[in-house]
Amino acid sequence: SQQGEEDPQALSIQEGENATMNCSYKTSINNLQWYRQNSGRGLVHLILIRSNEREKHSGRLRVTLDTSKKSSSLLITASRAADTASYFCATDKNTGRRALTFGSGTRLQVQP
Amino acid sequence: EAGVVQSPRYKIIEKKQPVAFWCNPISGHNTLYWYRQNLGQGPELLIRYENEEAVDDSQLPKDRFSAERLKGVDSTLKIQPAELGDSAVYLCASSSQGLAGVLPDTQYFGPGTRLTVL
Repeated sequence: SQQGEEDPQALSIQEGENATMNCSYKTSINNLQWYRQNSGRGLVHLILIRSNEREKHSGRLRVTLDTSKKSSSLLITASRAADTASYFCATDKNTGRRALTFGSGTRLQVQP
Repeated sequence: EAGVVQSPRYKIIEKKQPVAFWCNPISGHNTLYWYRQNLGQGPELLIRYENEEAVDDSQLPKDRFSAERLKGVDSTLKIQPAELGDSAVYLCASSSQGLAGVLPDTQYFGPGTRLTVL
């Protein structure tokens, strides 16, 4: 079953604009990760935020985590056409079963 | 450094036929994962190996799916017999050994095998 649910399911923006994607989850976690998947390709790890962190930056990426609301957001600033991809959040749940649980993804389209 | 290698990239079979997928993880990565990704969904874990040992296969449909990781390197995932609902992308990922009892942070994914069952 899917742990995280991304919102929106699809997003279309113009190059240069910012893109914000949200992820909600249900159980307590050790960390939350964001992955990108280009069409027909495997997933690429973008950024990890631990449960005791609230915000993290990596280049044009900014991730926030609110454990009280069980939600996270991924912000891509100054988007480029090459950012067009599906973005997934994945949670490492705080249970005995050590496995990542992925959401259903947000499909981002950046128009040139 | 070579990434995770999977083959074949595409496979089309008729239902009730067997099929096998092969994965070569990144050199030195002890942990190997098989995921299934249905269209428009995120990946779902089928099985996780630590070296040769399958430490988490709770989501593997054992009536028709099997996997092995001989010598703790390459792995094969098999479906026999395949059903229409098995059409999906099968992803292999690997990661380095994490601290004891801790899941490694980053998983590296292969390009996947797209299976179509007719």
